[in-house]
Amino acid sequence: EVQVVESGGGLVQPGGSLRLSCAASGFTFSTYWMHWVRQVPGKGLVWVSRISTDGSTTYADSVQGRFTVSRDNAKNTVWLQMNSLRVDDTAVYYCVSGGRAYSLGFWGRGTLVTVSS
Amino acid sequence: QTVVTQEPSFSVSPGGTVTLTCALNSGSVSTTYYPSWYQQTPGQAPRTLIYSTNTRSSGVPDRFSGSILGNKAALTITGAQADDESDYYCVLYMGSGICVFGGGTKLTVL
Repeated sequence: EVQVVESGGGLVQPGGSLRLSCAASGFTFSTYWMHWVRQVPGKGLVWVSRISTDGSTTYADSVQGRFTVSRDNAKNTVWLQMNSLRVDDTAVYYCVSGGRAYSLGFWGRGTLVTVSS
Repeated sequence: QTVVTQEPSFSVSPGGTVTLTCALNSGSVSTTYYPSWYQQTPGQAPRTLIYSTNTRSSGVPDRFSGSILGNKAALTITGAQADDESDYYCVLYMGSGICVFGGGTKLTVL
């Protein structure tokens, strides 16, 4: 059974940092891109970042320079290091595997990040 | 700035057919953007419906179909059911690992 499980969300002050983790199982993790997607409660989905199988990374303009995605294929885990957090980074963060033909495949249930003083 | 636009809301009668669209501000949507579609019900994670324009993901009923209509990607639901009432999102692949979501369409079945 495929599982994608995010953790590490919580309350953080503006300017602070948080590291999200995503543990995957049930598929050959090392052969899949992994993405982070976020959603402000009640709003739409927004793509945040992607890490390829060889570790190359891409980011949305809104998080470029503040967020860093990494992975460990031996641990079937991907992380999102979020620095200089802003109030508008408040969202549910989903970890998602790449799917077929540049789509998004297996979704986690998300972890809520709240940036507030 | 890449902007992907969907209808904010749509309504369909049970058993009816509805087509949701996905437009790109910089031009026409084509298969080279590998359009994909996702369904999200409140409080749940999204579910992949369609990838590569018109290929249904595993387990997706055949009443869901994807296509290119004119200069937009499209998701058609034929014979809508009550549990199709959800938010629907399209995604376009822009290259270099970058995906862009549309704003989503809230579909009401009534």
